[in-house]
This record gives sequence, C-alpha cells and structure tokens, in this order.
Amino acid sequence: SQQGEEDPQALSIQEGENATMNCSYKTSINNLQWYRQNSGRGLVHLILIRSNEREKHSGRLRVTLDTSKKSSSLLITASRAADTASYFCATVFGSSARQLTFGSGTQLTVLP
Amino acid sequence: DTGVSQNPRHKITKRGQNVTFRCDPISEHNRLYWYRQTLGQGPEFLTYFQNEAQLEKSRLLSDRFSAERPKGSFSTLEIQRTEQGDSAMYLCASSFLAAGNEQFFGPGTRLTVL
Repeated sequence: SQQGEEDPQALSIQEGENATMNCSYKTSINNLQWYRQNSGRGLVHLILIRSNEREKHSGRLRVTLDTSKKSSSLLITASRAADTASYFCATVFGSSARQLTFGSGTQLTVLP
Repeated sequence: DTGVSQNPRHKITKRGQNVTFRCDPISEHNRLYWYRQTLGQGPEFLTYFQNEAQLEKSRLLSDRFSAERPKGSFSTLEIQRTEQGDSAMYLCASSFLAAGNEQFFGPGTRLTVL
C-alpha cells in the first residue's frame, strides 16, 4: 500500500490554541489533499496542494508540502470546539492517477 | 444541488445475504469513486468510474463485489454472500474533469454483517 501516515494519531488541545498535524508518504505525488471527517460522517475536502507548491492558506488553515522529505503539515490556527474531528491526508500519485490514497488520520479534540 | 447522496445510510444483514448500496453523485460530475472505511482507519479505494465506464478496480474488490454505473449518473455497489469482514462504512465520492481534483464525499452507508 502507498498509504501515508499521519502524526500524531491523536491530539487534544484547548480552544484558541493552534493544532499541527503531519503527514508522510512514500512515493512521488501529483498532489496532496487534506480532508476532515466528523464522527460517523462523510469526508469534507479542506485544501489541495500541488507537488510544485510549498505552502497554501485557506482561512485558518495552512498547509505546507516538502516533497524532498515526502511530508506535509496541516496547521489549524485559533482552534474551536467545532474543529473536533478526524483529519486525513490523501495523496494522488502519477499524472493520470484518479483515486485518493489516505493515511490513517489524526483525531483532533478541541476542548472548550 | 445538494451534494452526493447515499442510500441506505445503515444496513444490517446476516452473513451470506446479498446487499446493494446506491450512490447519487453531484449531477455534473463525470467521475465516481467507491471507498471502504473500517473503524479507526482512513478510506481505502475500491473502484472508479468515468461516466459509465469502470476504469479501475482495487484488488480489495473481490469477486463478491460488483459495481455499476449504467447511465453515467448514479452507481450501485453490490456485495454478494456477505461476510463479517465486509462490515465497514462504504463511501461514495464524485469529482469533475481533471485527474487529481478534489473529491466530494457522500455520508456513507454503514454495513454491519451479523
């Protein structure tokens, strides 16, 4: 499997703090995406970063990509209780690749 | 348009029975994907359609699994002779045009095989 790995597996922080999650993968990618999943629900796309990009922002989210280290990080600033969810990185391999290859996720708990 | 929908949301069946799930993608999306997710894990790719053509199948998709997208719109995933190991959340997603685009996921169908 080309599945990536997220680190940490679980993260618990206070509301207002920043949360950082990391993702590592194994082979060259076309792009990397982050998704959020609330308990027992479907996934929601957060942000996509292409292999030729190094950093991307969307609202309170900041994603970095280091292709030399085959790793990415997701930073959520000023976290809120509503950010409590599982966060997954997903990679797309190759120029004609279609499916997403997901990591095992980080469970984020934001305490009010 | 309200996004990707899946039916049923929950299915409980006895081992050996057949089950069928339905996915209705976002209407203008030409690509449709099926994933399976077990507790505590990320989704795993099962199969993919572009319009009505099934272009890729994971080796996770055993002979007991079959998927169709007859008119390039909704899709069905059938599992024959279900086994307890088939218990999982089955997720459908759709996307538009170019490879590597973001995918829009449905709420999933949770299957429990007794």
